Amino acid sequence: QQQVKQSPQSLIVQKGGISIINCAYENTAFDYFPWYQQFPGKGPALLIAIRPDVSEKKEGRFTISFNKSAKQFSLHIMDSQPGDSATYFCAASKGNTDKLIFGTGTRLQVFP
Amino acid sequence: DGGITQSPKYLFRKEGQNVTLSCEQNLNHDAMYWYRQDPGQGLRLIYYSQIVNDFQKGDIAEGYSVSREKKESFPLTVTSAQKNPTAFYLCASKLAANNNEQFFGPGTRLTVL
Repeated sequence: QQQVKQSPQSLIVQKGGISIINCAYENTAFDYFPWYQQFPGKGPALLIAIRPDVSEKKEGRFTISFNKSAKQFSLHIMDSQPGDSATYFCAASKGNTDKLIFGTGTRLQVFP
Repeated sequence: DGGITQSPKYLFRKEGQNVTLSCEQNLNHDAMYWYRQDPGQGLRLIYYSQIVNDFQKGDIAEGYSVSREKKESFPLTVTSAQKNPTAFYLCASKLAANNNEQFFGPGTRLTVL
């Protein structure tokens, strides 16, 4: 029940295309769903996060779509750029003090 | 500059030796975390600490130890009991109340020779 399942494991997208990464969870008590971006040899950095009271959150080219009934959330990267090439992790937690449960990551490669 | 620092960036250790990884933050964050990252396995939680002088085991604590004597510091010791210690180690921190966002350090890559 604590798992967060992420797919795909890797993704190749052409420049200008849409990148979509999906995550699914089981624990209905989760109330915080962030996405982290990690470049090789660096620590992850928070990209965007959502709480279950909204179905979508957009920040620039990055959008989280959240489906509470399906227990799924996804990251959409519009107009993907080579600079977006990185590993993306979804995560989930409940409450303010609970630990984050991470997905296994998606390696995104955007080719010009 | 505010942030999380980890040192060293690269660390080499002989089998059978203990080694301590440093993590310092000047963000005045209450909670600190240690993760291990292996290819294809995401981030796995080793230990975490919500307040000074208190810490809890994460999912893969065996072979590791920590201390939290100061708010800004959370060192991780990789002991000889850790069977496969070669990995990328990440430290993170966050405010305790009303804030879920974790900030990560740059990581330490440990290689056992």
